[in-house]
Amino acid sequence: EAGVAQSPRYKIIEKRQSVAFWCNPISGHATLYWYQQILGQGPKLLIQFQNNGVVDDSQLPKDRFSAERLKGVDSTLKIQPAKLEDSAVYLCASSLYEGTDTQYFGPGTRLTVL
Amino acid sequence: QKEVEQNSGPLSVPEGAIASLNCTYSDRGSQSFFWYRQYSGKSPELIMSIYSNGDKEDGRFTAQLNKASQYVSLLIRDSQPSDSATYLCAVMDSSYKLIFGSGTRLLVRP
Repeated sequence: EAGVAQSPRYKIIEKRQSVAFWCNPISGHATLYWYQQILGQGPKLLIQFQNNGVVDDSQLPKDRFSAERLKGVDSTLKIQPAKLEDSAVYLCASSLYEGTDTQYFGPGTRLTVL
Repeated sequence: QKEVEQNSGPLSVPEGAIASLNCTYSDRGSQSFFWYRQYSGKSPELIMSIYSNGDKEDGRFTAQLNKASQYVSLLIRDSQPSDSATYLCAVMDSSYKLIFGSGTRLLVRP
């Protein structure tokens, strides 16, 4: 079974530029999560999708971050414009359905904002 | 604000010893508790889950839960250098949101 795929793995941009990350969850997984992990901290949930719909985006900085999950499969997370404090690893995870035990994490995208 | 607290470490133990990692949480309504292992530069990997008070054993790992004290722990027996990693405690709140602690860095000395 293929795992969660993410791209790119690394991205370096200057502040005020825009960036997009892509995630392909495990086949059949209805729930998709985007987390932000700042160095030395645990992952923090940014947004959770159940199929096409948003379940929780309470911690997403909506003035600069946006995310979509078209057709209930792939998802993209965008930052526009980026700030220095957005430097972090962006992790995508998926689970079979909402509330199920196991969230499977992708390899992450390491973003550096200069 | 729901919180999960862990000692950042590093916790240094000799090879073959028992490593004890601890975690406290603030939300009394939490029902599911998890331990993830994260190697440097890698993504978190689930190693244990526990839902009821008491101990749960899986190989060299034992998770312990005390809901009255809002306390979760992970014991690693016969620690190996390959166990050196950051261990993240995660708690699923009543809205099925996973809240992570900042992790404890474990170093196992050969």
